[in-house]
Amino acid sequence: NAGVTQTPKFRVLKTGQSMTLLCAQDMNHEYMYWYRQDPGMGLRLIHYSVGEGTTAKGEVPDGYNVSRLKKQNFLLGLESAAPSQTSVYFCASSYGMGLAGVIDTQYFGPGTRLTVL
Amino acid sequence: AQKVTQAQTEISVVEKEDVTLDCVYETRDTTYYLFWYKQPPSGELVFLIRRNSFDEQNEISGRYSWNFQKSTSSFNFTITASQVVDSAVYFCALSEPPGTASKLTFGTGTRLQVTL
Repeated sequence: NAGVTQTPKFRVLKTGQSMTLLCAQDMNHEYMYWYRQDPGMGLRLIHYSVGEGTTAKGEVPDGYNVSRLKKQNFLLGLESAAPSQTSVYFCASSYGMGLAGVIDTQYFGPGTRLTVL
Repeated sequence: AQKVTQAQTEISVVEKEDVTLDCVYETRDTTYYLFWYKQPPSGELVFLIRRNSFDEQNEISGRYSWNFQKSTSSFNFTITASQVVDSAVYFCALSEPPGTASKLTFGTGTRLQVTL
């Protein structure tokens, strides 16, 4: 199993350009998440999905859109990139909630380093 | 609102020293989960441990051990006989209770530098 993969690994954009980050998981996980990591701020949740066809906002959703058309994929879009969106983006996935209400562990992809000039 | 505080921004130790990374959390929930992740220089996030709020037993895994104390809202991580390969940023995280989307709130991380 590849686990959680992210495409691309690196990207440089100019202000105003758009792009889509792809996250794929082969673990049959229900829940998927997008985080951004900035120096000194840990990881912050952008958007998440609790199943195919569903998405919801996290802590810092502004400027981003997401889609979960297939269970194994979670796309993060930047419609008009801004320098403030320069960051490392991590995707994660988990089974979500077990039958006993146990919260499952999130497993992370390798990250995408995005620079917006 | 949930909050995780890792007050130690950076720690430097010499190989073979023991080191403890502190994690203090805030939550109003009675059911929650705590996690530790490691981020080595290569950048990926590696899961280390998950602990639920009803299990206060300390856990040991090789040179790693975790001390969970609800009375002080702390979940500290100790590395015994540190090695250069332990050099990384370590994150503590807190999850929302069951019934939600299991979202994680991360601390700001502690950078551990182990030198020879």
